Amino acid sequence: NAGVMQNPRHLVRRRGQEARLRCSPMKGHSHVYWYRQLPEEGLKFMVYLQKENIIDESGMPKERFSAEFPKEGPSILRIQQVVRGDSAAYFCASSPQELNNEQFFGPGTRLTVL
Amino acid sequence: GENVEQHPSTLSVQEGDSAVIKCTYSDSASNYFPWYKQELGKGPQLIIDIRSNVGEKKDQRIAVTLNKTAKHFSLHITETQPEDSAVYFCAAGDDKIIFGKGTRLHILP
Repeated sequence: NAGVMQNPRHLVRRRGQEARLRCSPMKGHSHVYWYRQLPEEGLKFMVYLQKENIIDESGMPKERFSAEFPKEGPSILRIQQVVRGDSAAYFCASSPQELNNEQFFGPGTRLTVL
Repeated sequence: GENVEQHPSTLSVQEGDSAVIKCTYSDSASNYFPWYKQELGKGPQLIIDIRSNVGEKKDQRIAVTLNKTAKHFSLHITETQPEDSAVYFCAAGDDKIIFGKGTRLHILP
């Protein structure tokens, strides 16, 4: 059973470009979470999605950031008009159901904005 | 809002000795308390978790204790080994979990 897949593993963008980060949850998991991690810091919750629904986006910046988890295909975290402050590691996790179930993390995408 | 405090931020322990990492949380509705280990360049890996109806849980050299009244929980690693060197994160929550800032554990030879 393959784990959580994320791609790309490394992404370099220039200021003003768009970044698209993909996450394929573990087989059978219908819940996806996105986190951002700055160097030497913990994981900051961004958004929690189920198939075709955003459940909690309280950690998402109000502008430029969006996330989706379509019926078919991976979850996408999209950052428009990237700025240097967006440089971070972005991790996706999946779980089979909500409420007290462990989250399985992917290897992360390291975004660098030049 | 919800907050999870984790201490210490860095911990150096002689190989074979025990390591203890402590966390406190603010949201009394939290019912799930996982601990993650993150090695350099990798995603966090769950090492142990505890739920609010249990006070202590052990898995080989790793144990976790929970005090819901005081809203704190701890990770204990006994007989530490070089491969235990990593960053450890506590977390607390219910349908959403909030992470602590991490503890960088160094196992000294």
